[in-house]
Amino acid sequence: AQSVTQLGSHVSVSEGALVLLRCNYSSSVPPYLFWYVQYPNQGLQLLLKYTTGATLVKGINGFEAEFKKSETSFHLTKPSAHMSDAAEYFCAVSESVGNEKLTFGTGTRLTIIP
Amino acid sequence: GAGVSQSPSNKVTEKGKDVELRCDPISGHTALYWYRQRLGQGLEFLIYFQGNSAPDKSGLPSDRFSAERTGESVSTLTIQRTQQEDSAVYLCASSVSFAGTDTQYFGPGTRLTVL
Repeated sequence: AQSVTQLGSHVSVSEGALVLLRCNYSSSVPPYLFWYVQYPNQGLQLLLKYTTGATLVKGINGFEAEFKKSETSFHLTKPSAHMSDAAEYFCAVSESVGNEKLTFGTGTRLTIIP
Repeated sequence: GAGVSQSPSNKVTEKGKDVELRCDPISGHTALYWYRQRLGQGLEFLIYFQGNSAPDKSGLPSDRFSAERTGESVSTLTIQRTQQEDSAVYLCASSVSFAGTDTQYFGPGTRLTVL
């Protein structure tokens, strides 16, 4: 069975500082990995995804994530935080064979300090 | 084009009543998914449809929950005899196909409150 762990339910960073949101996964087969963002009172929006190929994935709004198989991690980063980045971020995994449902982490709420 | 839409956006009901939640997927998307998001928790998979077939119903919490889909269009999630623990945001998503590489596009959700 697949699972996702997001370390830190709340993260606060200063505007302009590095954003790092942690995600570790467990999967019995090669995983597909996703980051979704949920802005207040809005639906989930895909930020980026890793399926195969290059392990450093670039997404929208300046975010990127790196798939590290040896660490079973898929941490999300952004070099310089912006006030508009305040939202809840969800890491998700689906298995590449057989079961394509998404298994989500519990989410990390990102607060940007002016 | 239009995204995934869900109705109603909010539903308040009394314990023991039945509720129906509706999802309109993106046109042409063959795969449709239902998830539940309880307060302070991640999304919990409920059921998916490939066309109008639901091969995996393992995520449905109890036999009070059922879902159907008409062709490759609208889906309805029905909760019978609602309980307070059913209070959550119910999210629908659709994707072009059921391949794991396909992006799931989410609707805004239906917030269900059971009094």
